[in-house]
Amino acid sequence: ETGVTQSPTHLIKTRGQQVTLRCSSQSGHNTVSWYQQALGQGPQFIFQYYREEENGRGNFPPRFSGLQFPNYSSELNVNALELDDSALYLCASTHGRGAYEQYFGPGTRLTVT
Amino acid sequence: QKEVEQNSGPLSVPEGAIASLNCTYSDRVSQSFFWYRQYSGKSPELIMSIYSNGDKEDGRFTAQLNKASQYVSLLIRDSQPSDSATYLCAVLNFGNEKLTFGTGTRLTIIP
Repeated sequence: ETGVTQSPTHLIKTRGQQVTLRCSSQSGHNTVSWYQQALGQGPQFIFQYYREEENGRGNFPPRFSGLQFPNYSSELNVNALELDDSALYLCASTHGRGAYEQYFGPGTRLTVT
Repeated sequence: QKEVEQNSGPLSVPEGAIASLNCTYSDRVSQSFFWYRQYSGKSPELIMSIYSNGDKEDGRFTAQLNKASQYVSLLIRDSQPSDSATYLCAVLNFGNEKLTFGTGTRLTIIP
């Protein structure tokens, strides 16, 4: 157990809809990163938050946005869902600025139809 | 050229033998290296981190890093059926705070 939780476990949405995924980091871990993992691929970095501010972003369009809250929870929001957004969405937390050793939550499986 | 490359496998190893997993990376400024294990349908689990050239051992696992050759490997001794999983190599560049993963190597331990 990493102490990182995510909700929901599974989600089915329709193309064009919006979705919010949630993550609760381990206490004291003030850095959270979000990743998208398509089937058969490694996780792809979406963005990272440190002390509630964005601290790095991967090659994802602006319709992927996030928030981090003071209580170590965070959100990933995706607008205008596309079929290719179907994937496992992972959050990972670590203590301190920068990635270092990241511990993943169980993930949210998103299916877009 | 992919930033982090791994042989996708599948790699089949007899139970009790040594499994050797390899990873190369393209960015010379990479500074930290990680191995994650991912069981089917589960999230990645951190099993090893290595920051300096040489070997790092933890139980049955040994990570090896050669920055000059831009190569990192993971050895699993006395392989067990429970080691059957996909192993992901990940590389960190401190400059952009981005952890980059390879596509993973699927390992099967044959009883």
